[in-house]
Amino acid sequence: QLQLQESGPGLMKPSETLSLTCTVSGGSISSGVFYWGWIRQPPGKGLEWIGSIYYTGTTHYNPSLRRRVTISVDTSKSQFSLELSSVTAADTAVYYCARRLTYSSFDSWGQGTLVTVSS
Amino acid sequence: QPVLTQSSSASASLGSSVRLTCTLSSGHSRSTIAWHQQQPGKAPRYVMKVEGSGDYNKGTGIPDRFSGSSSGADRYLTISNVQSEDEADYYCETWDSYTVFGGGTRLTVL
Repeated sequence: QLQLQESGPGLMKPSETLSLTCTVSGGSISSGVFYWGWIRQPPGKGLEWIGSIYYTGTTHYNPSLRRRVTISVDTSKSQFSLELSSVTAADTAVYYCARRLTYSSFDSWGQGTLVTVSS
Repeated sequence: QPVLTQSSSASASLGSSVRLTCTLSSGHSRSTIAWHQQQPGKAPRYVMKVEGSGDYNKGTGIPDRFSGSSSGADRYLTISNVQSEDEADYYCETWDSYTVFGGGTRLTVL
């Protein structure tokens, strides 16, 4: 059974770079039929797609976050990662990693990790 | 890119039926959408995909009480015999170059 697990710091200061990693188990990150993505949810608000990556390294980013986001993949470790630069309090959210079928929806989610940005 | 519109809230009595709506923006009325359920304090869970034809494809373990349908630019999630565990936020999602989520509907079970 596929499992996705997010990891990273829970507390950050403004202007720092947020770094999160998602470890994939129970399935192959190199499968050609899936993309791997990051979605976030500010407290009490809805879901916001951040971006997605294919195992070859092809990426797609939310235009509203593109300037600050980098998503990368390490197939040897079965991991993909998110970097978000110059964070502010507005980046405080639960960050989820998830799997989506190519040309389709997300179909499997991690449990999420809360990242708080505070001075 | 498409925009998805959802009502912010809905309610249903225990054992009744409820239909949630997700409306696609102009020019995207044929698009497929997906529904995700988020119970309080939990991660979202994929429920089903609904095509413009009305065909739907449920995720693993989703009860038979859940069904999907379509009319024009509207995509529906119908829950029959509503149970207390169905109280949750429901989000629709669509995609082309990018992924887009609707604002979510909070379902309250009375």
